[in-house]
Amino acid sequence: AQSVTQPDIHITVSEGASLELRCNYSYGATPYLFWYVQSPGQGLQLLLKYFSGDTLVQGIKGFEAEFKRSQSSFNLRKPSVHWSDAAEYFCAVGLYNQGGKLIFGQGTELSVKP
Amino acid sequence: KAGVTQTPRYLIKTRGQQVTLSCSPISGHRSVSWYQQTPGQGLQFLFEYFSETQRNKGNFPGRFSGRQFSNSRSEMNVSTLELGDSALYLCASSSTGTGVYEQYFGPGTRLTVT
Repeated sequence: AQSVTQPDIHITVSEGASLELRCNYSYGATPYLFWYVQSPGQGLQLLLKYFSGDTLVQGIKGFEAEFKRSQSSFNLRKPSVHWSDAAEYFCAVGLYNQGGKLIFGQGTELSVKP
Repeated sequence: KAGVTQTPRYLIKTRGQQVTLSCSPISGHRSVSWYQQTPGQGLQFLFEYFSETQRNKGNFPGRFSGRQFSNSRSEMNVSTLELGDSALYLCASSSTGTGVYEQYFGPGTRLTVT
């Protein structure tokens, strides 16, 4: 069965420090991968997606993610974190020909220290 | 362009009652998906509608149902509410209908069952 694992439930980083959020997936076919962010009381905002091509993808708000097929990973990175980045981050996999169905990881809550 | 809107934003119901939640997709989007978000189970796919037809369904009991209208607006209904149905219900819309595609989420409806 398809699954997405985010190993870190909660991460705290200092403002200005770099960030990497981990995501591993289990899916037999070509994965279609997404990162979403959710602020308290809000819905999910799409940060970036990987469908094919260049394995390093750029997203909004200065985020990027790298797809590594050999490691079944799609880690999210940001070189310098801002206090406004504090939120919950979700990795998701889309299933081909089940386009409206996303399988989400459990989420990683990011706290930012001043 | 206006985003995905969901009404109502907050709802309190009593066990055994039924509830209807509404979702208006982004103009021009024909696919609407619904998700349930709880602290214990995370984000889980309920179902997807495309052109008024249910195309995908998650592993939820038959008490959870939905429909889509000709203007792409969607409703989901939960009958015979249980305490465990307390959750944030998110809908997401997308413009395309094949393969895998990115989804845009609304702010959610927070349902509390007492």
